Parts: sequence; structure tokens; C-alpha cells
Amino acid sequence: SYVLTQPPSVSVAPGKTARITCGGNNIGSKSVHWYQQKPGQAPVLVIYYDSDRPSGIPERFSGSNSGNTATLTISRVEAGDEADYYCQVWDSSSDHNYVFGTGTKVTVL
Amino acid sequence: EVQLVESGGGLVQPGRSLRLSCTASGFTFGDYAMSWVRQAPGKGLEWVGFIRSKAYGGTTEYAASVKGRFTISRDDSKSIAYLQMNSLKTEDTAVYYCTSVQLLPSSFDYWGQGTLVTVSS
Repeated sequence: SYVLTQPPSVSVAPGKTARITCGGNNIGSKSVHWYQQKPGQAPVLVIYYDSDRPSGIPERFSGSNSGNTATLTISRVEAGDEADYYCQVWDSSSDHNYVFGTGTKVTVL
Repeated sequence: EVQLVESGGGLVQPGRSLRLSCTASGFTFGDYAMSWVRQAPGKGLEWVGFIRSKAYGGTTEYAASVKGRFTISRDDSKSIAYLQMNSLKTEDTAVYYCTSVQLLPSSFDYWGQGTLVTVSS
């Protein structure tokens, strides 16, 4: 089945830039979506179709996807960005049509 | 405002059944596919299954881990999606989230707050 690999954790100082990677075989050929999950809350969609932002999501959140790596970038990081982040793709050949990444905990120092 | 509200979670013994409900509001329910995603305690997200809108046949797809045990259905007249869980196992213990999908196979646009299912003797 298709596997998406994320770093377990990323630490970043306030005001700096956080980059969260999502690795998968030829992931650049797929559409990648990103979710933010704060403690005790449901996930929220922050990026869809690689780089589009839903309404209400700050422009500080951006995404890219090429080759074997997709990246979620958070610019000018704020304390409120501290959360778990998951990437997700659709893979019809997998035993899980919707595949989630392993998740990355972003800590704001 | 879009709202998805899950209900029906609780403690259940292994081998027993449970049915979860997801009541939707704030959008045209019948036009959307509905999906369930679960999260075991302290773990990541796992897709469970989805049901297409009636316009696309209302058919279902499931993850291999629940296929044959779980069934998703919908009642468009009531804007409710259901997750029938049979032959429950301890590894099914998780928070179950209801999500909406505007057009398969795109992203999970909106999520409910989740309902906890604990499978234990």
C-alpha cells in the first residue's frame, strides 16, 4: 500500500518559517491535502490540491508538491500554529483509498 | 455555517455492534459524499470509508481493516450519515470523525467534533 512519511516533529521560533515534508513515491503525480489538528480538537483542512487555501486560512500557510516530496510551509509562525499536521492523498490502488501521513508535531519555541 | 455532529459512541464489548450517526447542517447534504475517519488514542488519522452521493450511485468504499464489518449508509431526507460497526475488536477503539467531501476523491472539507468508541470487556 502507499506510504506517506512525515518527520515526527518540527520545532520553530515565533516569526520564523516552518517546513513540514511529506514523502511518498512519485507524490508529485498526486494531489496532496494538509490538515491541522490542535490538542483535543478535530482536524481542520488548511491546504487542498497541493497549494490552495480554504477560506479563513491565513496566507501564511502555503503548499508545494514535486517529485517524491510535498511540503507545507508556515511563514511567520505564531504560537497558535502549534499543532499536529497531517498530509493526505488519494491512492486507488491502496487498501486504504485515502492515505494519511504519519503526522508531524509542530512546536513553537 | 457547516456543522457535523456525531453521536452514538460509547463503551462496547468485543464482538458486539454499535451504530454512529452524523447529523449535518449548513450545506446541501445530498450533494456531498460523506466519509468516516478514525483516530486511535495517541495515534494518527485512519480513513474508514465513504459513501458517494446519490448522483454518483450512493455506493460505498471501505478500508481493508473494516471491510465486511462496517457499513456506511445515508438518509438524505434527514441529512444524516450512519456508520454501522459489527464484530467490533479492541483495535477499533478510537475517536470517530464524520467528514464531508464535496467531490470525490478530493479533500475532507469539514469535520465533526468526533465521538469516542471504546471496545473493551
